[in-house]
Amino acid sequence: EAGVVQSPRYKIIEKKQPVAFWCNPISGHNTLYWYLQNLGQGPELLIRYENEEAVDDSQLPKDRFSAERLKGVDSTLKIQPAELGDSAVYLCASSFQTDTEAFFGQGTRLTVV
Amino acid sequence: AQRVTQPEKLLSVFKGAPVELKCNYSYSGSPELFWYVQYSRQRLQLLLRHISRESIKGFTADLNKGETSFHLKKPFAQEEDSAMYYCAPGYSTLTFGKGTMLLVSP
Repeated sequence: EAGVVQSPRYKIIEKKQPVAFWCNPISGHNTLYWYLQNLGQGPELLIRYENEEAVDDSQLPKDRFSAERLKGVDSTLKIQPAELGDSAVYLCASSFQTDTEAFFGQGTRLTVV
Repeated sequence: AQRVTQPEKLLSVFKGAPVELKCNYSYSGSPELFWYVQYSRQRLQLLLRHISRESIKGFTADLNKGETSFHLKKPFAQEEDSAMYYCAPGYSTLTFGKGTMLLVSP
């Protein structure tokens, strides 16, 4: 079992460029989360999916961030355009259902220069 | 507002010493309570959850509803316990604290 798979592991882009992150959750997990983790901070939720429905996106900065989980399996998080302050680790997690253990991916470390 | 406080950024102890990582939370109702751990170069993973009332790797966590605290404890720390620890209360979505780095020296 590979666990939650995220790609890429690292990404360096110039400000104002677009960037996308991909996440493949554990097979059979209906709930998928995207978290943002700044240096020295704990993970902060960006969006939570139940199957293909975004049920909690209140913390997602919708002017530049978007996410999709079209078939209720893998998911993509996009930033357009990226800003310097978006430099962080983006974590994906999945769980069988909402109140069960969340399994995390390795994360994507984004650096915006 | 939902808030989680882990007052120590760094906790440094010697091997065999007792450890207590503090967590205080401000949350409406009675949330689920979790401790997650991240070892060096590994992904974030669940250590234990209150509802299970288990001891994992010698760690236990005591819920004090009056003080709204959920401190993580281990009587004898080991070098392999060195890691980043996050307290996380929540319902359908967890709120993570800023984390405490535990460093266990030989």
